[in-house]
Amino acid sequence: TQLLEQSPQFLSIQEGENLTVYCNSSSVFSSLQWYRQEPGEGPVLLVTVVTGGEVKKLKRLTFQFGDARKDSSLHITAAQPGDTGLYLCAEMNYGGSQGNLIFGKGTKLSVKP
Amino acid sequence: EAQVTQNPRYLITVTGKKLTVTCSQNMNHEYMSWYRQDPGLGLRQIYYSMNVEVTDKGDVPEGYKVSRKEKRNFPLILESPSPNQTSLYFCASRPGPNTDTQYFGPGTRLTVL
Repeated sequence: TQLLEQSPQFLSIQEGENLTVYCNSSSVFSSLQWYRQEPGEGPVLLVTVVTGGEVKKLKRLTFQFGDARKDSSLHITAAQPGDTGLYLCAEMNYGGSQGNLIFGKGTKLSVKP
Repeated sequence: EAQVTQNPRYLITVTGKKLTVTCSQNMNHEYMSWYRQDPGLGLRQIYYSMNVEVTDKGDVPEGYKVSRKEKRNFPLILESPSPNQTSLYFCASRPGPNTDTQYFGPGTRLTVL
């Protein structure tokens, strides 16, 4: 089973700062998804990346998929308190039960005003 | 509004007392699944369903049952709950097993004493 390592585990920053969180795998991703989970809610899909080297932007969030498709990063520019949450990466586990998403343990981000 | 609903949102019960957590989606999705989320372990799939009357085990199915009699509903049944099933549970749905947009419910926080 593929393992997804996310780093850092915790991140506490001031409003306006930039940050990057990472998701790495022991093997090649087929595709990778990023989710944000706010306290008391379920995860919400932010983006899916499929092609090695792909870069996607979602307002102040920039998602990058490594050329070798074994790593991905999420960069947030000028973080705001509303960005606070748990950021999860996930990959479809084609080797296991159909449609099962394998999740990393997440990066817990806190943005202080 | 497209959504996945779960009930109850919070439940405290005692060991051995059967309980059911309901899940319903209004998007006519074929694929539904249940996850549990635990500190340090992340999100893990319990059971999934490819369509009506088609269910199968995920990564951590022990102690759980599910049924899919109608497309919109996918209840999670704990016949004899134990303290190690204390967790945060999420129902999720998407159009098919290999489609990328997965919608999560708001979660059910279960405590088994």
